[in-house]
Amino acid sequence: GENVEQHPSTLSVQEGDSAVIKCTYSDSASNYFPWYKQELGKRPQLIIDIRSNVGEKKDQRIAVTLNKTAKHFSLHITETQPEDSAVYFCAASNTGQNFVFGPGTRLSVLP
Amino acid sequence: GAVVSQHPSRVICKSGTSVKIECRSLDFQATTMFWYRQFPKQSLMLMATSNEGSKATYEQGVEKDKFLINHASLTLSTLTVTSAHPEDSSFYICSARVSSGLQETQYFGPGTRLLVL
Repeated sequence: GENVEQHPSTLSVQEGDSAVIKCTYSDSASNYFPWYKQELGKRPQLIIDIRSNVGEKKDQRIAVTLNKTAKHFSLHITETQPEDSAVYFCAASNTGQNFVFGPGTRLSVLP
Repeated sequence: GAVVSQHPSRVICKSGTSVKIECRSLDFQATTMFWYRQFPKQSLMLMATSNEGSKATYEQGVEKDKFLINHASLTLSTLTVTSAHPEDSSFYICSARVSSGLQETQYFGPGTRLLVL
């Protein structure tokens, strides 16, 4: 089955700097890669996703890149703000299949 | 995005009692919902897949007789933790699959924090 790894497990950046979180997956059939942001005690919120027919997607300060050949995808956050502090989860799935989540990255944006 | 609600948000119960958690899709029909368990500072662990009108599919290691799942309508799935024990204390989160053609994603409920004394 699918296995998703995520790095780093914790990440601290200064406000205004960029943050990058990387995930790798094992199942080449996976075709959908969402990213969720979870603040303490709250639900995971979908922040951006990418499908296997594109290599990059951007939404304001957030971007995701996908390398299908290497089976890895990354989340990029630019101009980080304190409110970006949260745990970020990547996931991989195939159409109709369950999501497999990475272990999460705890991002701290220091003022 | 689609709205998923969950009730209750927090519950404290005595050991040996049963607790029911409801997950509702508010503005769409969800033929498939998922139940996750999350321990502090850990990832989301899929417990089971709930399919409307059929039996739930449980992940390996999850006791189906302890975690009863019912998906009786297109907008409601329930998880009942039977004979709860302190080790069942956790954050339980449901999600609903939203499909649009071949594209689909999941939206999460707000979670239920269960504390078993």
